Amino acid sequence: ETGVTQTPRHLVMGMTNKKSLKCEQHLGHNAMYWYKQSAKKPLELMFVYSLEERVENNSVPSRFSPECPNSSHLFLHLHTLQPEDSALYLCASSQDLTGVSNEKLFFGSGTQLSVL
Amino acid sequence: GQSLEQPSEVTAVEGAIVQINCTYQTSGFYGLSWYQQHDGGAPTFLSYNALDGLEETGRFSSFLSRSDSYGYLLLQELQMKDSASYFCAVRDQGGKLIFGQGTELSVKP
Repeated sequence: ETGVTQTPRHLVMGMTNKKSLKCEQHLGHNAMYWYKQSAKKPLELMFVYSLEERVENNSVPSRFSPECPNSSHLFLHLHTLQPEDSALYLCASSQDLTGVSNEKLFFGSGTQLSVL
Repeated sequence: GQSLEQPSEVTAVEGAIVQINCTYQTSGFYGLSWYQQHDGGAPTFLSYNALDGLEETGRFSSFLSRSDSYGYLLLQELQMKDSASYFCAVRDQGGKLIFGQGTELSVKP
């Protein structure tokens, strides 16, 4: 148990569906992240939030829309996805965005997304 | 920008020692981290090196040479449960971690 919980664990959706991924951290951290993990590829940073403010959007298509209502919760809203968006989506948190404490990320187990 | 290179696969036997290398190119360097990820699980933090040298934590050690832009993770007394993917990562100037593609370690009996 890492202290970061993601739901659902698995999700299958059609290209016209709208769904949301949820992440919750119980660690009192100030920074939260969304990463995409595709087979045989590095983890790709998608979004970063620090104190509920988005500080990074790594050229992610607008069909992915993040939301951070408070420092403990992070959502990724999905709509009109493409088959190539099928991947494992990982949420992570860290104490702060910068500084030594940032070196240690705490990850959730991810949502395995399949887009048909 | 940042890039990291590590082998895609490594195979070793139980009880052996294995070294997973990582070379990096960064516009600024703040330290090298290692993460372990079992199949279907969350990546978990293993170690962090900000300065040159060897850091030891039980059976795992991590080494950094900043002049060579190189580091490695050393796993000793391998166990079957060490079969997993291992990622090196560096922090960019904005303070965010950038990961390598991962090395899949298979430990055989």
